[in-house]
Amino acid sequence: KQEVTQIPAALSVPEGENLVLNCSFTDSAIYNLQWFRQDPGKGLTSLLLIQSSQREQTSGRLNASLDKSSGRSTLYIAASQPGDSATYLCAVRARMGGGNKLTFGTGTQLKVEL
Amino acid sequence: NAGVTQTPKFQVLKTGQSMTLQCAQDMNHNSMYWYRQDPGMGLRLIYYSASEGTTDKGEVPNGYNVSRLNKREFSLRLESAAPSQTSVYFCASGPGTANPNQPQHFGDGTRLSIL
Repeated sequence: KQEVTQIPAALSVPEGENLVLNCSFTDSAIYNLQWFRQDPGKGLTSLLLIQSSQREQTSGRLNASLDKSSGRSTLYIAASQPGDSATYLCAVRARMGGGNKLTFGTGTQLKVEL
Repeated sequence: NAGVTQTPKFQVLKTGQSMTLQCAQDMNHNSMYWYRQDPGMGLRLIYYSASEGTTDKGEVPNGYNVSRLNKREFSLRLESAAPSQTSVYFCASGPGTANPNQPQHFGDGTRLSIL
């Protein structure tokens, strides 16, 4: 059974700091790994998707890497801003029955302070 | 720019009552999903529909039923609500197995409390 773990569960940093969020998974038979952002009381917004054949994806100040063989991904946020405060979730997609399934981690709650 | 729309946004039920959560997507996606999110447990898949006309159980299907009404709509029904079903429910849609490397899109959630 696929298990996804995110460390740390919570993180507080001063504005401007670069930071790394970690995600690990137990089964490397995945299609891709996806990073989401969730604001309080809101749904999930997809940030980056890394296919199993890729090593990294970049969008603006965000960079996500994937090491499928070791079951690890990192989300790097450069020059953090208070608006980056949110919960960040990673999820891996694998085949399940007639469809495919996302297995989620429990998230890292990020607070960027002025 | 609707994407995935869920109704209602909030609901309070008494134990034993029934209700249906509605979900509609306007992205012509084949696959739709229902998740629940509980503190400290992440999102867990309740049911999914890989394509119109099919539905399958996810990790935590007990106490729920689903209907894929058409390609756009996927509803989740609680027949006899229990306090353990207090949670935030998210609907999602995606292209499905034909395009597994396209992201799933999520609605804003339904916050359900059962007293």
